[in-house]
Amino acid sequence: QTVVTQEPSFSVPPGGTVTLTCGLSSGSVTPSHFPSWYQQTPGQAPRTLIYTTTTRSSGVPDRFSGSILGNKAALTITGAQADDEAEYYCVLFVGSGISVFGGGTKLTVL
Amino acid sequence: EVQLLESGGGLVQPGGSLRLSCAASGFTFSNYAMKWVRQAPGKGLEWVSTISNSGGFKWYADSVRGRFSISRDNSKNTLWLQMNSLTAEDTAIYYCAKDTFQSHGNPDYWGQGALVTVSS
Repeated sequence: QTVVTQEPSFSVPPGGTVTLTCGLSSGSVTPSHFPSWYQQTPGQAPRTLIYTTTTRSSGVPDRFSGSILGNKAALTITGAQADDEAEYYCVLFVGSGISVFGGGTKLTVL
Repeated sequence: EVQLLESGGGLVQPGGSLRLSCAASGFTFSNYAMKWVRQAPGKGLEWVSTISNSGGFKWYADSVRGRFSISRDNSKNTLWLQMNSLTAEDTAIYYCAKDTFQSHGNPDYWGQGALVTVSS
C-alpha cells in the first residue's frame, strides 16, 4: 500500500516563501512519478498548478514552482498572497495507471 | 480551451446504480488517458479509475474494483463511469480529469465535478 505524505498544515506570512513537500512512505520521489500539485479552495474543483514535476499550468503565476528536493517533490510559493490560502494536494503516479494523492496541506497566509 | 463537463450525478439508494458522463472538448480526446477522481465530504482527493487513450487498458482503486466500470467513446469525446452496488461510502463529488499522457501520468485538467449522494 503506497502512502503519499504531505504536511497537514503550514503557515506563511504575506510576502513570505513556503515550500510544501510530497513524499512516499517507502522510497524516493523521482520524475518518473510525474509529481503534480493542485490548489483547492472550499466549494471549488481542484486547480492544477504544476504537473510533471516542474511544468506550470497555463495561467499559473511564476511564484509557484515545482521541484524535487532530496527524496521528495516540492511546491514552493514565493511572495505568498492572501488568496494563496487554500488546500494543496500532490499526486504521484505509481505505475499501472494508478495515481495516489497525498492527504493535502492546509496553507494559512497569516 | 480544454473543457470537461460532468453530468449524471444525483441521489441514489444504497445498492443502486448510477452512470456519470464527462463531455470533453478543446483537445484531441483520443490522445490522452482519462481519470475519475472523487472527494468525499470534508475529505481529500481519491483516485478512482484510469482509462488509457484507446480504452484498451483500465485500472481501478481497490475500493471500487468489481463495482465500477470506466469506459470511453473517442468518436463522441465522452468518458463514462458506471457505478453499481453503491454504498454510503461512495458519497462524494466525482471529478473527470484529463491525464498528461496516453496511458500514464497525472491530471492536468479537471471538470467541475458531479455530486453523488448515496442515501436511503
